[in-house]
Amino acid sequence: KAGVTQTPRYLIKTRGQQVTLSCSPISGHRSVSWYQQTPGQGLQFLFEYFSETQRNKGNFPGRFSGRQFSNSRSEMNVSTLELGDSALYLCASSLEDRGYNEQFFGPGTRLTVL
Amino acid sequence: DAKTTQPPSMDCAEGRAANLPCNHSTISGNEYVYWYRQIHSQGPQYIIHGLKNNETNEMASLIITEDRKSSTLILPHATLRDTAVYYCIVRGDHTGTASKLTFGTGTRLQVTL
Repeated sequence: KAGVTQTPRYLIKTRGQQVTLSCSPISGHRSVSWYQQTPGQGLQFLFEYFSETQRNKGNFPGRFSGRQFSNSRSEMNVSTLELGDSALYLCASSLEDRGYNEQFFGPGTRLTVL
Repeated sequence: DAKTTQPPSMDCAEGRAANLPCNHSTISGNEYVYWYRQIHSQGPQYIIHGLKNNETNEMASLIITEDRKSSTLILPHATLRDTAVYYCIVRGDHTGTASKLTFGTGTRLQVTL
């Protein structure tokens, strides 16, 4: 069974640009979460999508947005990039058929903003 | 979700058991204890979880104290590939609701020859 895939793996952008990152969850997983990881702030939750609806959102500005498609694939978008947006962006998917929550993470997209 | 406290770093000799502690003194009755690890520059990896009883799988064992205020993750025979940051996370049963995980700073485990 294929794992969570994220594209692209590496990205370099300049300040003011926008970027779109993609995540394909494990087949059958309907929940997709996004996290940002930086050396200073660690792993922080961005948002979660389930059945094409945003179900929870972390404490990030409106420049960070996302969406989920009917096949559960998800994209996140960051507009008007700032230097501080340089980070590893991780996507995780999970099943919803059990009481506990095992999330499967992708390898991440490393975004560098110059 | 309850807050957790972990030592920032630990060392372990290869082949020995690595015992990683976690304090979660404010845990409530329906909250699970999860352990994830993150090997350098990779996405976090689920290891194990538990509610009240001790748990074991092919990767590790989880020992939860009777009062559930602390737990220990045990890697029975640590190898160099177990060098990683280990995160202890406490989270309630959220079936059908948000899947957010709150990561702390974790324990950086260094396995040495």
